[in-house]
Amino acid sequence: NAGVTQTPKFRILKIGQSMTLQCTQDMNHNYMYWYRQDPGMGLKLIYYSVGAGITDKGEVPNGYNVSRSTTEDFPLRLELAAPSQTSVYFCASSYISRTDTQYFGPGTRLTVL
Amino acid sequence: RKEVEQDPGPFNVPEGATVAFNCTYSNSASQSFFWYRQDCRKEPKLLMSVYSSGNEDGRFTAQLNRASQYISLLIRDSKLSDSATYLCVVNTGTASKLTFGTGTRLQVTL
Repeated sequence: NAGVTQTPKFRILKIGQSMTLQCTQDMNHNYMYWYRQDPGMGLKLIYYSVGAGITDKGEVPNGYNVSRSTTEDFPLRLELAAPSQTSVYFCASSYISRTDTQYFGPGTRLTVL
Repeated sequence: RKEVEQDPGPFNVPEGATVAFNCTYSNSASQSFFWYRQDCRKEPKLLMSVYSSGNEDGRFTAQLNRASQYISLLIRDSKLSDSATYLCVVNTGTASKLTFGTGTRLQVTL
C-alpha cells in the first residue's frame, strides 16, 4: 500500500492564480481531511469528507473548495491564490471515524507570490 | 484557554537522558488521545495512542490524567533519532474532531 499520496510536492503560484492539490489514498478509508500548517503553528482543518459525495467545512475553509467523487480521491482547489495561503498542506485519512488515527500524506509546500 | 496546549520547547537533552512532555486539554469530555511525531519538513506520524490505564511502547510511555486534564509522554534512554516535534492530539468539541497541539520540539545531542 502506498498509503496517502499527494501531488505536487512543491508549487509556486502568483497572486490570483488557481490550482488543485491532489490527494489519493489506497487504504479504503472513508474519512479524508485537508489541513494547512503554518510555521510554528498547529494543523488547521480546512475541509473534511466522511465518504464519497459528502464534504464539510473545517476551521479555515475560506478560499478553498473540495470534492469527493470517489473513496480514493479528495482534491483541494485553491481559487484566486493569495499570499495568506502560503503554507504546507497535508492530506490525511482515517478509517472508522473522525477521532480515529489519521494517516498523513507527505505534504505540498505552496508559496504564493 | 486553548483546546490543546503544549510547551513549545525546545527541550535540549543529551543522549541517554529521560525526558517528559505534558499536554493539557480543555474539554473534560475528550475521549481520544494520541501522540504524533513530526520530523522537520515531514508529515505527522502516529507515535502512540494514549489509553486510560497508560501504555508503553519500548522506550516510550504515555499517561492520561483525566482529573487534571493532561496527557504526558515519557521518553527513556533518548536517541539522536528521537529529535523531532511531538504533537499532542485530542478529540474535542461536540463535532467530534481531532485537535492538534502546536507541538513540543525535542533536540537530543551527543
